[in-house]
Amino acid sequence: EIVMTQSPATLSVSPGERATLSCRASQSVSSNLAWYQQKPGQAPRLLIRGASTRATGVPARFSGSGSGTEFTLTISSLQSEDFAVYYCQQYNIWPGTFGQGTKVEIK
Amino acid sequence: EVQLVQSGAEVRKPGESLKISCKGFGYSFTTYWIGWVRQMPGKGLEWMGIIDPGDSDTRYSPSFQGQVTISADKSISTAYLQWNSLQASDTAMYYCARSAYGSGPFDSWGQGTLVTVSS
Repeated sequence: EIVMTQSPATLSVSPGERATLSCRASQSVSSNLAWYQQKPGQAPRLLIRGASTRATGVPARFSGSGSGTEFTLTISSLQSEDFAVYYCQQYNIWPGTFGQGTKVEIK
Repeated sequence: EVQLVQSGAEVRKPGESLKISCKGFGYSFTTYWIGWVRQMPGKGLEWMGIIDPGDSDTRYSPSFQGQVTISADKSISTAYLQWNSLQASDTAMYYCARSAYGSGPFDSWGQGTLVTVSS
């Protein structure tokens, strides 16, 4: 199965600053990569599909890029509601493996 | 509005069986796959398996193959996740989620079912 590795494990950012999260696949997943946001006590929420397409209702400050094995999620100007855990997931090959998550916390 | 509504929290003893459910509302249930995702306490997301409710085609992660059974009843728009013999290590939150393709992405999620296994 494909192993997804996210970095860093924790990112400390001040409100209004930019956050850059990375996700690496152990083999190419083409653009079949999704990003999810999970807040405490809530189910995950799809943010990005196809590596760069925002899901319905997702603010434009969230953007995704990359293809193959290297991917990035950028939050251009962090809002208070953006502090959460972010997961990447490849869906190119079964099973659709997740990364271990990056926690974005308030600096 | 698309909704996946999961059954309530469960407490079981080791060795007991359990079946939890996920009912779809607001869309054609057979046109999306339903996947199950485990989240152990304080940990990340794990893809367990997925089913096409239209024909019950089911795929499992190697990590969960033989440990759980995924099924669906399209007549009542419901998918299931079951265990024959629970272990303490099965204690976790379990989410169902729907996908337009067999392996994701998951565009709508249930609220989660907390399963606690303790003697």
